[in-house]
Amino acid sequence: NAGVTQTPKFRILKIGQSMTLQCTQDMNHNYMYWYRQDPGMGLKLIYYSVGAGITDKGEVPNGYNVSRSTTEDFPLRLELAAPSQTSVYFCASSRGTGIGNEQFFGPGTRLTVL
Amino acid sequence: GENVEQHPSTLSVQEGDSAVIKCTYSDSASNYFPWYKQELGKRPQLIIDIRSNVGEKKDQRIAVTLNKTAKHFSLHITETQPEDSAVYFCAASRYAGGTSYGKLTFGQGTILTVHP
Repeated sequence: NAGVTQTPKFRILKIGQSMTLQCTQDMNHNYMYWYRQDPGMGLKLIYYSVGAGITDKGEVPNGYNVSRSTTEDFPLRLELAAPSQTSVYFCASSRGTGIGNEQFFGPGTRLTVL
Repeated sequence: GENVEQHPSTLSVQEGDSAVIKCTYSDSASNYFPWYKQELGKRPQLIIDIRSNVGEKKDQRIAVTLNKTAKHFSLHITETQPEDSAVYFCAASRYAGGTSYGKLTFGQGTILTVHP
């Protein structure tokens, strides 16, 4: 199993540009999450999904959109990129919630907005 | 919503010493507390977790203790080794079966450095 994969690994955007961060998992997990990690800070939840077709906002959803058309894929869309969105983005997935349902993280995408 | 505070932000120890990282949480309904380790440039990985009906859990050199009344939990690493050097994050969530979706609130992280 590849686990959770993310593309691209690095990206530089200009202010106002848009892009989609890709996330795929091959563990047949229902739950998927998008986090951002700013330097020296913990991870903050952007959006999450509990299954195909079901998504909801996390702690910091402004400026982002998601979709979940399949169990495997959970892309994150950035519209009108701003410098405040410079961060490392992690996608994660889990079978369920709580004990015994570890969140597995992808390798991350480092995004810089100039 | 939940708020998790983590201390210290940096911790430096000599190899073989013990390290303790503490977290406090605000939501008394939180009942699941995982700890993640993140090596430089790598993804976070779960190292240990605990539910609120358990006061302590151990896994070899790592242990987590939970004080529900005071709303704080701690990570204890004994006999530290240089490979323990990493950023450690605590987190909390309210798991209530089908009514919660495992949303984790993370602490700010602790940079642990173990000197040989």
